Amino acid sequence: GIQVEQSPPDLILQEGANSTLRCNFSDSVNNLQWFHQNPWGQLINLFYIPSGTKQNGRLSATTVATERYSLLYISSSQTTDSGVYFCAVSDYKLSFGAGTTVTVRA
Amino acid sequence: DTAVSQTPKYLVTQMGNDKSIKCEQNLGHDTMYWYKQDSKKFLKIMFSYNNKELIINETVPNRFSPKSPDKAHLNLHINSLELGDSAVYFCASSPGREQPQHFGDGTRLSIL
Repeated sequence: GIQVEQSPPDLILQEGANSTLRCNFSDSVNNLQWFHQNPWGQLINLFYIPSGTKQNGRLSATTVATERYSLLYISSSQTTDSGVYFCAVSDYKLSFGAGTTVTVRA
Repeated sequence: DTAVSQTPKYLVTQMGNDKSIKCEQNLGHDTMYWYKQDSKKFLKIMFSYNNKELIINETVPNRFSPKSPDKAHLNLHINSLELGDSAVYFCASSPGREQPQHFGDGTRLSIL
């Protein structure tokens, strides 16, 4: 199956800082999604982004399908951004990376 | 108003018992899924249904049996529970295959 690698595994940020999370995948995919799992365990779909760039408030994502990677940008981080960010890619089923745990300190 | 709702939120039971988790979505989506998240937070798909038809059946013990009575509901029945079944189980739905997926809040299953 498709391998999904996320980096870094852990990230500690001071409130207001910017950061970039990376997702590499091993094969061609039909779609790519980014999720945020908050400290209460809820999984929120942030982006559906098989290619190109999208923005949603302070978050944006870019997928370069031909080079098999995607980036998630968090700008002006807030404590509510804390949690685990998952990248998931699909050939016929969604395969998740191991996640990046983000901690934003006030 | 909850888009994808799972019941119960918590399930604590003994080894060997049989239990069910229910999932309902009010988004009008055609495709539904069950995922398992282990203690290291790794998420893995178990099953997917599209319009009540099973389309994905990953390597899951036959003790796990999904049932979709209609396209808004996907239930998960687990027989003869084992310690290793302890995990958080998530239901999700999407408008169709290869579309954005929306997750329920999860059911935390603990086996004593």
